[in-house]
Amino acid sequence: EADIYQTPRYLVIGTGKKITLECSQTMGHDKMYWYQQDPGMELHLIHYSYGVNSTEKGDLSSESTVSRIRTEHFPLTLESARPSHTSQYLCASGRPGRDNEQFFGPGTRLTVL
Amino acid sequence: KNQVEQSPQSLIILEGKNCTLQCNYTVSPFSNLRWYKQDTGRGPVSLTIMTFSENTKSNGRYTATLDADTKQSSLHITASQLSDSASYICVVSDRGSTLGRLYFGRGTQLTVWP
Repeated sequence: EADIYQTPRYLVIGTGKKITLECSQTMGHDKMYWYQQDPGMELHLIHYSYGVNSTEKGDLSSESTVSRIRTEHFPLTLESARPSHTSQYLCASGRPGRDNEQFFGPGTRLTVL
Repeated sequence: KNQVEQSPQSLIILEGKNCTLQCNYTVSPFSNLRWYKQDTGRGPVSLTIMTFSENTKSNGRYTATLDADTKQSSLHITASQLSDSASYICVVSDRGSTLGRLYFGRGTQLTVWP
């Protein structure tokens, strides 16, 4: 089991609310990632980070933002949630080396009403 | 365009039976291919990793194969158990990215019935 944690595991909120999804890892990995996954679909990269103070947008356009102030912490924020944001959000971290192995957290299932 | 295609989309088998899942990819330059298992409501967990020079890799009842020439991989599950019910995702890594970019298939949803 990888040492990467996400909270909350489930979140149901109303439209317009601001939310932050937490992600922490204790493996000391520099690279961290956020993915969005809808049922029956592939994971889409929405944000990534090479290390502290580094954040980049991924392949899938997202209205969320991320920050990386500490190596172990990579939170994702939605300023104003909408029903279209309903999805599963997976956080991952990548260990050094060329095999590009990523370790995934358990995910946050977000439902916006 | 780098893509990963999996088949079948879903599969139902009886407990104790074997099954084989397929993966075709067009990712280039190729670094490695992993099969992940994703239980409902959980994050994916790596089962096997295969590099360009490897043809077969086993992990318990899971056996993965790779044909780098035809860009195909398979995951064979032997003597299935109820706990094998999950989505199995084929993930290909490219060699040219410092990001460690991964390309994901949509997964095969396996259901094992008693």
